Amino acid sequence: DIQMTQSPSSLSASVGDRVTITCRASQSISSYLNWYQQKPGKAPKLLIYAASRLQSGVPSRFSGSGSGTDFTLTISSLQPEDFASYYCQQSYSTPPTFGQGTRLEIK
Amino acid sequence: EVQLAESGGALVQPGGSLRLSCAASGFTFSTYEMNWVRQAPGKGLEWVSYISSSGSVKYYADSVKGRFTISRDNAKNSLYLQMNSLRAEDTAVYYCAREVGALFQHWGQGTLATVSS
Repeated sequence: DIQMTQSPSSLSASVGDRVTITCRASQSISSYLNWYQQKPGKAPKLLIYAASRLQSGVPSRFSGSGSGTDFTLTISSLQPEDFASYYCQQSYSTPPTFGQGTRLEIK
Repeated sequence: EVQLAESGGALVQPGGSLRLSCAASGFTFSTYEMNWVRQAPGKGLEWVSYISSSGSVKYYADSVKGRFTISRDNAKNSLYLQMNSLRAEDTAVYYCAREVGALFQHWGQGTLATVSS
């Protein structure tokens, strides 16, 4: 199975900050990397797929980059509704695997 | 609008069984691959099982293989997860998720299965 490792596990930031979360795969997954946002008590929501493609309806302050083994999710200017947990997921091979998550908290 | 609604979660004793359901609406269910993904309390996401649009192909996580069975009824727009020989570590919120190209495009609200004596 492909292991996905996110960093940091938690992050404190302020409204308006630029934030970057990283995700590393244990082997090359080309661009088969997706990002999800999850708010407490809610289901995950797809934000970005294929490493850099924004899901319909997702604000443009979210962006993704990377290929191979190293990927990043960037939020250009944090908004109050962005404080949540974020997960990366590889869709390169079965079983699909997730990173352990990054909790983004208000400073 | 795509809607997925899970049900069937409950408190069950170790070794017991539970059947989860997911009712789909707002899209042509029979043309989509579906999955179950779970999340233990305070933990991350774990993929559990996959089923093809026709139901002919199924995959399982090693942690549930031989104990869980995924199925679907396209005439009823429904997805199921039969869970047997349940263990404490199966305690989780179970989400059904519509798949497009191995990414989880839409999720239900989840149903909580608790395994405890």
